[in-house]
Amino acid sequence: GDSVTQMEGPVTLSEEAFLTINCTYTATGYPSLFWYVQYPGEGLQLLLKATKADDKGSNKGFEATYRKETTSFHLEKGSVQVSDSAVYFCAHDLGGGGNKLTFGTGTQLKVEL
Amino acid sequence: KAGVTQTPRYLIKTRGQQVTLSCSPISGHRSVSWYQQTPGQGLQFLFEYFSETQRNKGNFPGRFSGRQFSNSRSEMNVSTLELGDSALYLCASNVASGAGGELFFGEGSRLTVL
Repeated sequence: GDSVTQMEGPVTLSEEAFLTINCTYTATGYPSLFWYVQYPGEGLQLLLKATKADDKGSNKGFEATYRKETTSFHLEKGSVQVSDSAVYFCAHDLGGGGNKLTFGTGTQLKVEL
Repeated sequence: KAGVTQTPRYLIKTRGQQVTLSCSPISGHRSVSWYQQTPGQGLQFLFEYFSETQRNKGNFPGRFSGRQFSNSRSEMNVSTLELGDSALYLCASNVASGAGGELFFGEGSRLTVL
């Protein structure tokens, strides 16, 4: 069935460190891929997305590339800040329409000075 | 532009009771989706409504139901509450029901079942 697998957290990094959060998916059809972020006490918000193979989504210094051959959508940032501390969720949609998202379990990131 | 509004934000119920949660989407958004978030199961899709019709449904028992009104506001209902229903229930809206669209989430309704 459709699923999303992302690396478990928590991940603790020092400020300015390089971040990678791995995400792989299984899905029928041609899904769109997303990274959502949840800051403490807030709802989820879209960080970036990619709608077809080889697309790169980017926002706020974060990037992820839709790799169909490896069914992956790894999130990267070259230099994290304390304000990036949050829970990050990888997700995909049905690919055939509709707003049903399948989420990964989330990866908590803590950035320290 | 106001965001997605969910009410109530917090509530406590006892086993066997029922609960109704409300969601007001962003103005102009016609699709409303509901998700259950728990520490053990993560985020799980409950259902999606578009133009008052249920478009998709997740793998939850029939105790979980929802509806959407003509003004796009949505409610979800859980009957015969069980301890395992304790969760954060998130509502999300979108302009339309299409692939690749950004969902806008509310802050959630936190339900505790005692």
